[in-house]
Amino acid sequence: QKEVEQDPGPLSVPEGAIVSLNCTYSNSAFQYFMWYRQYSRKGPELLMYTYSSGNKEDGRFTAQVDKSSKYISLFIRDSQPSDSATYLCAMKDNQGGKLIFGQGTELSVKP
Amino acid sequence: NAGVTQTPKFQVLKTGQSMTLQCAQDMNHEYMSWYRQDPGMGLRLIHYSVGAGITDQGEVPNGYNVSRSTTEDFPLRLLSAAPSQTSVYFCASSRAVDQPQHFGDGTRLSIL
Repeated sequence: QKEVEQDPGPLSVPEGAIVSLNCTYSNSAFQYFMWYRQYSRKGPELLMYTYSSGNKEDGRFTAQVDKSSKYISLFIRDSQPSDSATYLCAMKDNQGGKLIFGQGTELSVKP
Repeated sequence: NAGVTQTPKFQVLKTGQSMTLQCAQDMNHEYMSWYRQDPGMGLRLIHYSVGAGITDQGEVPNGYNVSRSTTEDFPLRLLSAAPSQTSVYFCASSRAVDQPQHFGDGTRLSIL
């Protein structure tokens, strides 16, 4: 079993839809949780960075962490065609910098 | 401020050849790392460094060497290229171990 599981999709939604992306994990030591966006032929770009449980909002993006369920989510409101990309969850414990990534979910937002 | 710069962007090698992938950052970040990205596997950590002169192995270190003689540079060396090392390689850096990492745009490596 992988430490971090993420549905690879692809996920296709109409413009304006609310998108929900999710990851589950098995290591209870994970304390830092991140979401990266990756456009084709580009490097991952940090979207959200949270510590421990709770919600964090940044514009149209909301990240949620539920440590009791070992489950994290990224919500995108009013999705735009420019949101079409692969979204990667990543997480690490507080012992070092080793990031563990999910497989990534490919998202397509249709005009 | 260029961020994380990787060179070359593309490279084709023959089995057995050696080469060095370059990574440089201009943000004075202490922590740097190398990942490879393969279809269905996500990003996997190869090697990392918490500062100049200090390196350690990640999840998939075999066949790769690193060194960190300066804060800015963190080259990745393939000693004897194998087809299994065909991948996209990303370098990342962060201000400290507990800070989020920023990635370069990758080197696409194909080994025949």
